[in-house]
Amino acid sequence: GENVEQHPSTLSVQEGDSAVIKCTYSDSASNYFPWYKQELGKRPQLIIDIRSNVGEKKDQRIAVTLNKTAKHFSLHITETQPEDSAVYFCAASRAGNQFYFGTGTSLTVIP
Amino acid sequence: DAGVIQSPRHEVTEMGQEVTLRCKPISGHNSLFWYRQTMMRGLELLIYFNNNVPIDDSGMPEDRFSAKMPNASFSTLKIQPSEPRDSAVYFCASRTGYLGETQYFGPGTRLLVL
Repeated sequence: GENVEQHPSTLSVQEGDSAVIKCTYSDSASNYFPWYKQELGKRPQLIIDIRSNVGEKKDQRIAVTLNKTAKHFSLHITETQPEDSAVYFCAASRAGNQFYFGTGTSLTVIP
Repeated sequence: DAGVIQSPRHEVTEMGQEVTLRCKPISGHNSLFWYRQTMMRGLELLIYFNNNVPIDDSGMPEDRFSAKMPNASFSTLKIQPSEPRDSAVYFCASRTGYLGETQYFGPGTRLLVL
């Protein structure tokens, strides 16, 4: 089956700096890669996703890049704000199949 | 759309009691997932269904756990008998089966077994 690894497990940045979270996957057939944000005591919520036929996708301050050859994808958050503090999960999937989640990154943005 | 609905939101029970968690997926979604989340083990997939049929239950911890999906709009996760180590947040999620369609999580059930 698929194996998704996520790094780092914790990340602290100063407000206004950028944050980068990286994930690798093992199954070359995976073709959909979502990122979830989970605030304390709440459910995971989708913030951005990318399909395997796209190399990069941006939505305001967040972006995701995908390198299919190397089997890794990354989340980039620019101009971080305190409300970006949360746990972020990456995942990999094929259509109709389960999502394989990374172990999460706890991001703290220091005001 | 109301999103994925879970009940109860909080459950406190004593060891040995039966616990039943309920989930209503988003209408039109044909895949349903049950997850368990703890600080120690993170987010674990317990079981998932496609078109009401269990596809992979390899994450179900042991025979004390069982899940059913009698129709497209309802699923249950049952723990009998419950143990303190079952204390966790249990999430239900649903999605369509199409590429690029993400999973949407319910609000979760916070279970405490004393």
